[in-house]
Amino acid sequence: AQSVTQLDSQVPVFEEAPVELRCNYSSSVSVYLFWYVQYPNQGLQLLLKYLSGSTLVKGINGFEAEFNKSQTSFHLRKPSVHISDTAEYFCAVLYNNNDMRFGAGTRLTVKP
Amino acid sequence: KAGVTQTPRYLIKTRGQQVTLSCSPISGHRSVSWYQQTPGQGLQFLFEYFSETQRNKGNFPGRFSGRQFSNSRSEMNVSTLELGDSALYLCASRETGGSSYEQYFGPGTRLTVT
Repeated sequence: AQSVTQLDSQVPVFEEAPVELRCNYSSSVSVYLFWYVQYPNQGLQLLLKYLSGSTLVKGINGFEAEFNKSQTSFHLRKPSVHISDTAEYFCAVLYNNNDMRFGAGTRLTVKP
Repeated sequence: KAGVTQTPRYLIKTRGQQVTLSCSPISGHRSVSWYQQTPGQGLQFLFEYFSETQRNKGNFPGRFSGRQFSNSRSEMNVSTLELGDSALYLCASRETGGSSYEQYFGPGTRLTVT
């Protein structure tokens, strides 16, 4: 069965430090990859996506992610986080154009 | 374009009652998916509708049902509510046949069952 694994449920980090949120997925011929962010009491907002082309994709709010096909990973990174980045982050994979799977989420807490 | 809208935003029901939640997708989006989000279980897929037909279904009991209308608006119904049904219910729409693939989420309906 297709699955998406976010390896860390919680990531605490100090302001201005770099952060990496990890995501692995079960392999398939056709995958499209996404990262979403959810702020308290809101829906999910798209941060970035990988459909094809360059394996390094840049998104909103200074985030970027790298698609690694051999390791079936799509880790999210930001070189310097802000307090406002505190939120829950979800990795998602669209399998075969119609089966969207989400990871369990990673709660990023940025401390002053 | 207007985003995905969900009504109502908040709802309080009693065990045993039933509830209907509504979702209006982005104009032109024909795929609508529903998710249940709880602190313990995370984001769980309920079902997806496309052109008024259920295309995918998650692992939920038959008390959870849905439908989609010809204008792509969707409703989700939960019958015989249980305390464990308390959750944030999220709706997401997606453009099909295009090249974007991502889902656009509404703000959710917060259901509390007492």
